[in-house]
Amino acid sequence: NAGVMQNPRHLVRRRGQEARLRCSPMKGHSHVYWYRQLPEEGLKFMVYLQKENIIDESGMPKERFSAEFPKEGPSILRIQQVVRGDSAAYFCASSLQRDPNTGELFFGEGSRLTVL
Amino acid sequence: QKEVEQNSGPLSVPEGAIASLNCTYSDRGSQSFFWYRQYSGKSPELIMFIYSNGDKEDGRFTAQLNKASQYVSLLIRDSQPSDSATYLCAVNSAGGSYIPTFGRGTSLIVHP
Repeated sequence: NAGVMQNPRHLVRRRGQEARLRCSPMKGHSHVYWYRQLPEEGLKFMVYLQKENIIDESGMPKERFSAEFPKEGPSILRIQQVVRGDSAAYFCASSLQRDPNTGELFFGEGSRLTVL
Repeated sequence: QKEVEQNSGPLSVPEGAIASLNCTYSDRGSQSFFWYRQYSGKSPELIMFIYSNGDKEDGRFTAQLNKASQYVSLLIRDSQPSDSATYLCAVNSAGGSYIPTFGRGTSLIVHP
């Protein structure tokens, strides 16, 4: 049973380019979360999605960032016109249940974005 | 704004000692609490969760929750060098989307 799969693991972009990060949740999981982690900092929530729906995007910048989780295929986090401050590790996590007491998050290995 | 606070460390303990990691949270409505371990350059993995006041033990790990004081701690007994990692506290609050809020993590170093 494969875990949460993220790709690419490493991505280098120049300022102004677009970055697309993909996440395939664990089999059977329908809840996907995206977090951003800067060096020496904790995980900052960005967006929570279920299939074809954005449930909560309160942590995502209003401009340049978007996320989707289509009926078929992986969840995608898209960053347009990247800036150096976007350089970070982006982690995707999935869960089976929404129950707050048992909804363990399973994390992917992360996508490390470097903006030159 | 919901906040989860952790001392960033590093916390350095000798092999075989008890490591004590602490976490405080601001939202009194918080319902469940998680400890994740993250090795350098790797993804976080769940160690334990707790949602009732008191202690919960799992092997060498004990989670302690005190809702009145709004803190949760993780004790690691018989610490091993392989326990050296960053430990992230995460808190789920009541209402809304139950989205876990993470602390910055505490770096633990267990030296032989």
